[in-house]
Amino acid sequence: AQKVTQAQTEISVVEKEDVTLDCVYETRDTTYYLFWYKQPPSGELVFLIRRNSFDEQNEISGRYSWNFQKSTSSFNFTITASQVVDSAVYFCALRSNTGKLIFGQGTTLQVKP
Amino acid sequence: DTGVSQDPRHKITKRGQNVTFRCDPISEHNRLYWYRQTLGQGPEFLTYFQNEAQLEKSRLLSDRFSAERPKGSFSTLEIQRTEQGDSAMYLCASSSGTGGEGTEAFFGQGTRLTVV
Repeated sequence: AQKVTQAQTEISVVEKEDVTLDCVYETRDTTYYLFWYKQPPSGELVFLIRRNSFDEQNEISGRYSWNFQKSTSSFNFTITASQVVDSAVYFCALRSNTGKLIFGQGTTLQVKP
Repeated sequence: DTGVSQDPRHKITKRGQNVTFRCDPISEHNRLYWYRQTLGQGPEFLTYFQNEAQLEKSRLLSDRFSAERPKGSFSTLEIQRTEQGDSAMYLCASSSGTGGEGTEAFFGQGTRLTVV
């Protein structure tokens, strides 16, 4: 079975703190893609990053960084120096080899000023 | 291109009525997905199309739900005999690719359905 688990339901931090959102996935596919999406209060899902199963290099984009580890089936997302505008629900997703996206339950991040 | 668009944005209907939603994907995308999202949950896969072919349907998609994508362009999702449990946000997304390969999916703003 394919599954994505985001164990953290809600996280609250104070502005400028670093925060890591956890994502653990299950799949039997040897080739797959992982994604992170942000859902702000407006509701639209915004794509953040895509990572394929053969590329375990960590990626950094500004204040965002991602740590992909196949050995632990994890794809964690870190926001450095968080800002109030980062407040949103964040979803981790797995794309199966048939093409459909399987989402985790989401982590609600609240950044307080 | 302005991205994935969905119509209507909001729909209130009485229980037992039929409703139809429309999704216009990004024009060059061959894949189109429908998801349902309830409050506090992640999007749940309903179905997806590659061009005009419906390749996969979730068991969540009861026989009251039907989706079409004629000519591989826009798609419609119809719910017949709506029930209160159908109240949710219905999300459409599109991407390019085949099998497990392809671009990331881009989402529309969703259609929020309320069944009263």
